[in-house]
Amino acid sequence: ETGVTQSPTHLIKTRGQQVTLRCSSQSGHNTVSWYQQALGQGPQFIFQYYREEENGRGNFPPRFSGLQFPNYSSELNVNALELDDSALYLCASSLYTREQYFGPGTRLTVT
Amino acid sequence: GENVEQHPSTLSVQEGDSAVIKCTYSDSASNYFPWYKQELGKRPQLIIDIRSNVGEKKDQRIAVTLNKTAKHFSLHITETQPEDSAVYFCAASTSGTYKYIFGTGTRLKVLA
Repeated sequence: ETGVTQSPTHLIKTRGQQVTLRCSSQSGHNTVSWYQQALGQGPQFIFQYYREEENGRGNFPPRFSGLQFPNYSSELNVNALELDDSALYLCASSLYTREQYFGPGTRLTVT
Repeated sequence: GENVEQHPSTLSVQEGDSAVIKCTYSDSASNYFPWYKQELGKRPQLIIDIRSNVGEKKDQRIAVTLNKTAKHFSLHITETQPEDSAVYFCAASTSGTYKYIFGTGTRLKVLA
């Protein structure tokens, strides 16, 4: 059984640019959730994908978008990056909406 | 809106003592409560969880209690060890929905 993986590990972007983060879910899992974790805070729910469809969204603007692929891997895309987007981005995989297991995260820095 | 409050924000205990972290949730429909441990620079790891049809759950030195009436749940760690030092997050979720609402975290330091 393989765990949740994410790429890249770290990323530095300039304000206004676009970024794509990737997540491979744990084997046997069909649902991926994305969270933003600012320094010193708890993870904030961005959205969840199930069977390639968005299955719920948190309080994030439309410039945060995502995809899920037939193999259940997922991408998070952020357009028009702002300084406040600097954070650790975590994905978590689960079987339906049961226990979520997190990946190691992607540290995004926007300058 | 949905909210989870977590206290304390920092907690220092002597090795071998017990540690208790408390959370309060606002959504009365919440029925699943996981706890995560996050070491510095690492991913959050699920350490224990409880569902609303159970009042208490224990796994070796870790236990979680739930008071649905008061909308409180707590993490109890007994016989603490230095390797228990980390940030602990509580979360609340509702069956059939999709998102975890996380608390703000508790930084636990176990002093040797």
